Amino acid sequence: DAKTTQPPSMDCAEGRAANLPCNHSTISGNEYVYWYRQIHSQGPQYIIHGLKNNETNEMASLIITEDRKSSTLILPHATLRDTAVYYCIVQRAAGNKLTFGGGTRVLVKP
Amino acid sequence: NAGVTQTPKFRVLKTGQSMTLLCAQDMNHEYMYWYRQDPGMGLRLIHYSVGEGTTAKGEVPDGYNVSRLKKQNFLLGLESAAPSQTSVYFCASSFRQGLRNQPQHFGDGTRLSIL
Repeated sequence: DAKTTQPPSMDCAEGRAANLPCNHSTISGNEYVYWYRQIHSQGPQYIIHGLKNNETNEMASLIITEDRKSSTLILPHATLRDTAVYYCIVQRAAGNKLTFGGGTRVLVKP
Repeated sequence: NAGVTQTPKFRVLKTGQSMTLLCAQDMNHEYMYWYRQDPGMGLRLIHYSVGEGTTAKGEVPDGYNVSRLKKQNFLLGLESAAPSQTSVYFCASSFRQGLRNQPQHFGDGTRLSIL
């Protein structure tokens, strides 16, 4: 599975949009981009995933560049409860292993 | 709607003791997974199962055994616990992986300390 690169930390103001970048320059054609988050002491929570088209659900939006070498997770209106570590993961179709890197520690401030 | 339930939530063992961690899911998922997470690190896959009666090794399988006798349950065993196995253990489950990839759903973890 392709490796991902994320900034180690970022701050965001409550009520503002949070844009979390991820680089996956070695991604191959059958690999999906997944985003999970882990709130302190809890199990990882699935947020969203996509292959090549942009995706949106009730939690977030995922923007994937045309060459698929990078993506951005957008939390449209960050709340204090969005403070967590966010993991960008690339997983091949039918893959059984999620490879968690260091993630981005997001702190939402009032 | 329970999702993925792990028991126990906390446990302290002495070196050499054995124990079994239980994971149960009520989502009719075919696939189940066991991960461990050490402080400040991401999750690493220990073992996984693609169906009842089948298991496979993950990234860090040594010192662990697993069984999947029922579709809804996935057991992780430590036969002779070692201090290096002190960690937080997470179970996850998902629908069958195929051309349309499926997300994994995680439990809240079991915090295991081995003295």
